[in-house]
Amino acid sequence: ETGVTQSPTHLIKTRGQQVTLRCSSQSGHNTVSWYQQALGQGPQFIFQYYREEENGRGNFPPRFSGLQFPNYSSELNVNALELDDSALYLCASSKGLAGYEQYFGPGTRLTVT
Amino acid sequence: SQKIEQNSEALNIQEGKTATLTCNYTNYSPAYLQWYRQDPGRGPVFLLLIRENEKEKRKERLKVTFDTTLKQSLFHITASQPADSATYLCALADSNYQLIWGAGTKLIIKP
Repeated sequence: ETGVTQSPTHLIKTRGQQVTLRCSSQSGHNTVSWYQQALGQGPQFIFQYYREEENGRGNFPPRFSGLQFPNYSSELNVNALELDDSALYLCASSKGLAGYEQYFGPGTRLTVT
Repeated sequence: SQKIEQNSEALNIQEGKTATLTCNYTNYSPAYLQWYRQDPGRGPVFLLLIRENEKEKRKERLKVTFDTTLKQSLFHITASQPADSATYLCALADSNYQLIWGAGTKLIIKP
């Protein structure tokens, strides 16, 4: 059974650029959630996808967008990068929407200069 | 506003003792609560889930309690080991079953 994978591991971008982060969910999981984690803080919910549909969104601006594909892998896109977007971006997959534990990938460390 | 609080200061415990971590919340009525472990530079790892109608859950050396009246969950590690040193995060399911996270408590087990 393959776990959750994310790519790339690290990324350095310049303010104003766009970035795409990728996540492969664990086999048998149909739900993917994306989180932003600043140093010393807990993960902040960005949005969640269930069977290719967005199922909820946290307090993030529209320049944060996403997709889920038929194989349940997912992308997070961030446009017009700002310095405050520098963080660890975590993807988590689960078997369903409610009452299930989440399995996290190793994260993508994004640095915006 | 909705808030989840965990001890912000690191918790230092002698090996072999029981470590107890606290998670308090306000303005929530969560259907369930989860505890995760996070090591530096890695994603969180699921430990335990406890539902609103459960008072206590155990898994090996781990125990979680959930008091919906006090709006508090306690996480215990018995017979602690240096390998238990990590940051422990609690997460509540909101009304949409999305997880809202605390900032975590850093646990240090001293040999």
